[in-house]
Amino acid sequence: DIQMTQSPSSLSASVGDRVTITCRASQSISPYLNWFQQKPGKAPNLLIYAASTLQSGVPSRFSGSGSGSDFTLTINSLQPEDFATYYCQQSYNTPYTFGQGTNLEIK
Amino acid sequence: QVTLKESGPVLVKPTETLTLTCTVSGFSLSNTIVGVSWIRQPPGKALEWLAHIFSNDEKSYSTSLRSRLTISKDTSKSQVVLTMTDMDPVDTATYYCARLRWDSGDYYFDYWGQGTPVTVSS
Repeated sequence: DIQMTQSPSSLSASVGDRVTITCRASQSISPYLNWFQQKPGKAPNLLIYAASTLQSGVPSRFSGSGSGSDFTLTINSLQPEDFATYYCQQSYNTPYTFGQGTNLEIK
Repeated sequence: QVTLKESGPVLVKPTETLTLTCTVSGFSLSNTIVGVSWIRQPPGKALEWLAHIFSNDEKSYSTSLRSRLTISKDTSKSQVVLTMTDMDPVDTATYYCARLRWDSGDYYFDYWGQGTPVTVSS
């Protein structure tokens, strides 16, 4: 199975900040890396697919980059609604594994 | 529009078999560019992928749970069913179904159900 490791596990930031979350796969998976946002009590919501493609309807302050086994999610100018948990997930092959999540909190 | 909705028991006893149904609308389970996965999330923990069924009826399972899981679909009813045997309290979680879309070689979960909570307790 491909292991997905996110860092950090938690992050405190302020409205207007720029934050970066990283995700490392245990092997090369490029470009089959997706990012999700999850708010308490809700299903995950797709933000980025294929490492860098913004899902329709997602604000442009979200961006993804990376290749091989190392990927990043960047959020520019944090908004109050962005405080949530973020997951990376590989769709290179089954089992489709997720990272352990990054909890983004308000400082 | 595309929707997925999970249904099943809220409470099951240890050693029982759990059966969950995902009813989809807005797309066909025979569409070659989509498939459906089951994913779960224990309280306060991360997402865990469980199983997937492709349009051609090919199936794939979690390595650690393979022996306990069965996924199937009824295209005429627009339903995907997951069974998990020998339930244990550690299987307490919210269970989601999600559509996996194939798009020019990319695969991603673009629609999710609202999730259904399952508690395992005697």
